[in-house]
Amino acid sequence: ILNVEQSPQSLHVQEGDSTNFTCSFPSSNFYALHWYRWETAKSPEALFVMTLNGDEKKKGRISATLNTKEGYSYLYIKGSQPEDSATYLCAPHTGNQFYFGTGTSLTVIP
Amino acid sequence: DTGVSQDPRHKITKRGQNVTFRCDPISEHNRLYWYRQTLGQGPEFLTYFQNEAQLEKSRLLSDRFSAERPKGSFSTLEIQRTEQGDSAMYLCASSLAQLAGGSTDTQYFGPGTRLTVL
Repeated sequence: ILNVEQSPQSLHVQEGDSTNFTCSFPSSNFYALHWYRWETAKSPEALFVMTLNGDEKKKGRISATLNTKEGYSYLYIKGSQPEDSATYLCAPHTGNQFYFGTGTSLTVIP
Repeated sequence: DTGVSQDPRHKITKRGQNVTFRCDPISEHNRLYWYRQTLGQGPEFLTYFQNEAQLEKSRLLSDRFSAERPKGSFSTLEIQRTEQGDSAMYLCASSLAQLAGGSTDTQYFGPGTRLTVL
């Protein structure tokens, strides 16, 4: 079992604020890290797949960085919008399977 | 393509009964995963298939759980003699394998089956 920690557990921000969350994982047996967005009553949706130390990915206002040596990834949202409200999950892959964190629940207040 | 579908969306059963869930992946996807998610937790890996072969199964998975993907297309997950602790959301995901091990595969999730065991 892999210990994957996400912080904070939940977050409330005002519309327009920028925010970031953390995903921590053991740096050994690391193959890739995935980020997902899971809106209520919908299916988890893939955001990013990251493999290399120093990787940085961007999709619109959302970006992510990866540090495989120290075992963490940051997800950033610039200028949060109400439609960004969701749970953000990270999932490192060890070569055999995915291990999901418990997620960060983001609420953007209009 | 309509994406990954799961049936039923909700299932209420009495303790001790058997239940079976179905997952239809995206048609050209060769990998299929099952996960379980309980309140306050992230999805927990149960098992995955490459085509019809079950390649990995969680060591935490009880013998009461079995999964099949007989023709390499749809999959079924059966839980025998259900217990209250089996109450959870069961998620299915599919992917098109790019590399051995599937570490960089983008998974596409279905809507899940919510199981309640009374």
